[in-house]
Amino acid sequence: AQSVTQPDIHITVSEGASLELRCNYSYGATPYLFWYVQSPGQGLQLLLKYFSGDTLVQGIKGFEAEFKRSQSSFNLRKPSVHWSDAAEYFCAVGATIAGANNLFFGTGTRLTVIP
Amino acid sequence: DAGVIQSPRHEVTEMGQEVTLRCKPISGHNSLFWYRQTMMRGLELLIYFNNNVPIDDSGMPEDRFSAKMPNASFSTLKIQPSEPRDSAVYFCASTLSGSGEQYFGPGTRLTVT
Repeated sequence: AQSVTQPDIHITVSEGASLELRCNYSYGATPYLFWYVQSPGQGLQLLLKYFSGDTLVQGIKGFEAEFKRSQSSFNLRKPSVHWSDAAEYFCAVGATIAGANNLFFGTGTRLTVIP
Repeated sequence: DAGVIQSPRHEVTEMGQEVTLRCKPISGHNSLFWYRQTMMRGLELLIYFNNNVPIDDSGMPEDRFSAKMPNASFSTLKIQPSEPRDSAVYFCASTLSGSGEQYFGPGTRLTVT
């Protein structure tokens, strides 16, 4: 069965510092992997996705993520965090079920950015 | 593209009343998902449709919840009767089969008093 684990519930970083959010997945086949961001009071916005090919994927807002099959991980990184990055981040694994693209979400990591 | 449209954005109602949430998916998308988000339970998938047909409603919490998709451009989620524990943010998302990612609407914040 598909599942996603985000081990960090809450992370605090200083503005300008680097960031890494962890994500581990469980899936029997080659996974489709996603990171979404949710700002307060907003819906979920897609940051980046991995389907195949280069294991380092670039996303919007300066984010990147690296797929590591051996570790079943898809960690999100940003070299220098901005105050506007404060939000909740969700990792998800995708599976096509009955023709529809299902997503299985982790429980999210809340990012706080301090000046 | 206007994205996924949900209405209303906020709904406050009294216990026992009927509540109807509405969603217009992105034009051309053929799958639609309803989610519920709460602090306690996080993001839960309630039901999803493919080509207007309900595929899996195992996430619908009770018979008080029902969802319809009468055509490719409109879906409703109805709660009747509503209860305070239904208070949450309800999201609709749509996707095109094979594309992978889902596109989320802004959500409807429901408060049942």
